[in-house]
Amino acid sequence: GAVVSQHPSRVICKSGTSVKIECRSLDFQATTMFWYRQFPKKSLMLMATSNEGSKATYEQGVEKDKFLINHASLTLSTLTVTSAHPEDSSFYICSASQDWGYGYTFGSGTRLTVV
Amino acid sequence: AQKVTQAQTEISVVEKEDVTLDCVYETRDTTYYLFWYKQPPSGELVFLIRRNSFDEQNEISGRYSWNFQKSTSSFNFTITASQVVDSAVYFCALSEARDKLVFGAGTILRVKS
Repeated sequence: GAVVSQHPSRVICKSGTSVKIECRSLDFQATTMFWYRQFPKKSLMLMATSNEGSKATYEQGVEKDKFLINHASLTLSTLTVTSAHPEDSSFYICSASQDWGYGYTFGSGTRLTVV
Repeated sequence: AQKVTQAQTEISVVEKEDVTLDCVYETRDTTYYLFWYKQPPSGELVFLIRRNSFDEQNEISGRYSWNFQKSTSSFNFTITASQVVDSAVYFCALSEARDKLVFGAGTILRVKS
């Protein structure tokens, strides 16, 4: 079946630094990738939708300059948290879609802690 | 805009009890997909089922079953003879018109031995 690999699974960084999270579709080409954020004991909130070769579409309230998304190829999307602050600490999960009817495959998530 | 409501925040049952997780959705589209995911403590999302809006057949997979009723906009999930390993957060989600996947708030299921 479709597999999405997300790295790193855990990262601790200092306040003010940037962190990059990678999301790769291993055995299929993902025309669309999604990035979600999940706070403890909360649901998954969509941050942005990215299509290969075009700019990401951000959800209302998500800072584009803080959460940079790049979808450079049909198998790779990256989320960079720039100038991270403790309030950016969260669980980030990516998802890839081959085609709408095929459903969505999720990565295993990245737990970001900013100290 | 699409919306998914999971009114049950947390459910506790004793092992071997049956449990039903409710999901009510809102959409203006006639074509859409509904999903259920399981999220164990480790955090990864485990896909359980996908159902399109034209297929109202109920489905059974082992101890899991799903009841899809368009008349009440509901897509409920039942676990029969629950086990401790079923303890997790369960999310219902909706996707319409080749758009994003929107999640409900989730239901925490605790199965006690």
